[in-house]
Amino acid sequence: EVQLVESGGGLVQPGRSLKLSCAASGFTFSNYYMAWVRQAPKKGLEWVATISTSGSRTYYPDSVKGRFTISRDNAKSSLYLQMNSLKSEDTATYYCARHIRGTGGYFDYWGQGVMVTVSS
Amino acid sequence: EIVLTQSPTTTAASPGEKVTITCLASSSVSNMYWYQQKSGASPKLLIYSTSSLASGVPDRFSGSGSGTSYSLTINTMEAEDAATYYCQQWSSNPPTFGAGTKLELK
Repeated sequence: EVQLVESGGGLVQPGRSLKLSCAASGFTFSNYYMAWVRQAPKKGLEWVATISTSGSRTYYPDSVKGRFTISRDNAKSSLYLQMNSLKSEDTATYYCARHIRGTGGYFDYWGQGVMVTVSS
Repeated sequence: EIVLTQSPTTTAASPGEKVTITCLASSSVSNMYWYQQKSGASPKLLIYSTSSLASGVPDRFSGSGSGTSYSLTINTMEAEDAATYYCQQWSSNPPTFGAGTKLELK
């Protein structure tokens, strides 16, 4: 059974940093692209980052480019999201997701999510 | 960026009723993906590549469409289908989601 378990969320002041982790199990982690998707309170879904199987390629939307860094440790079957210079608009539940590539791409398994609140 | 517009925003259906949710793209996309999110839970993949059912998804769910117009249909509404449904595209970067359609049980 595929499982994705996020951790590391919490309350952080604007301008500070936070690092999220995602522990994966139930599949060969190193064979899959992985991603982070967030959901602001009572809002829709927004893609945040994607990383290739080896970690050599990363992708971000303009809203987080230069502030967020996605990384992975295939030996530990773990995914990370380093978030710097946090803003109030980064307040959201962050989901770790397995990213299926192909014609387009989509997310076939999601974690339970971890809440990040950016506030003074 | 491709904008996905879902309609209706909110709807309600009685058990056994047919439900159709529409997703219009601001530019042509090659495929559409659909997710179901129940209250307090994470999203769950329902439909991939426009019309393929994800593993474990009941066959009362179906997807169709092409170009800029796609739809998700629930053939016979069940109580457990009450949720918010999102469409998603990745024909061009960045991948985008629709704003969601909240489906309630009547």
